[in-house]
Amino acid sequence: NAGVTQTPKFRVLKTGQSMTLLCAQDMNHEYMYWYRQDPGMGLRLIHYSVGEGTTAKGEVPDGYNVSRLKKQNFLLGLESAAPSQTSVYLCASKLRGGGADNEQFFGPGTRLTVL
Amino acid sequence: GENVEQHPSTLSVQEGDSAVIKCTYSDSASNYFPWYKQELGKGPQLIIDIRSNVGEKKDQRIAVTLNKTAKHFSLHITETQPEDSAVYFCAASRPGGGNKLTFGTGTQLKVEL
Repeated sequence: NAGVTQTPKFRVLKTGQSMTLLCAQDMNHEYMYWYRQDPGMGLRLIHYSVGEGTTAKGEVPDGYNVSRLKKQNFLLGLESAAPSQTSVYLCASKLRGGGADNEQFFGPGTRLTVL
Repeated sequence: GENVEQHPSTLSVQEGDSAVIKCTYSDSASNYFPWYKQELGKGPQLIIDIRSNVGEKKDQRIAVTLNKTAKHFSLHITETQPEDSAVYFCAASRPGGGNKLTFGTGTQLKVEL
């Protein structure tokens, strides 16, 4: 199993450009999450999904959109990139709700720079 | 919503010494407290977790303690080794609502030879 993979690994955008980040998991997980990681701020949740076709807002959703058309994929879109969106984007997935299946598995991240 | 504070932000220890990282949380409904280790250029990886019905959990050189009354939990690493050098994050979540994790701001641990 590849686990959680993210595409691309690095990207440089100009202000106003758009892009889509792809997260894929091959573990048949129900739940998927998008975080941004900034120095001194830990990981902050952008959007999440508890199943195919469903999405919900996290702590910092503004400027981002997401889609979960297939169970194994979770896409994060930036419609008009801003320098404040320069960050490392981390995707995670987990099997299902609480109980023994609480571990979130993370991908390696996408480093995005917006000039 | 939940707020998780983590201290210290940086920690330097000598190889073989112990390291302790502390976190506090605000939401009394939180019942799951994982610790993640992140190495340079990689995603965070779970190293240990604890649930609110348990006060302490140990896995080899790593242990976590939880004080529900005071709303704080700590990570203890004994006999530190150079490969323990990394950034460590604590987190907390409550039941339902996607089981969202709220993370602390991280601790950069450096184990010196």
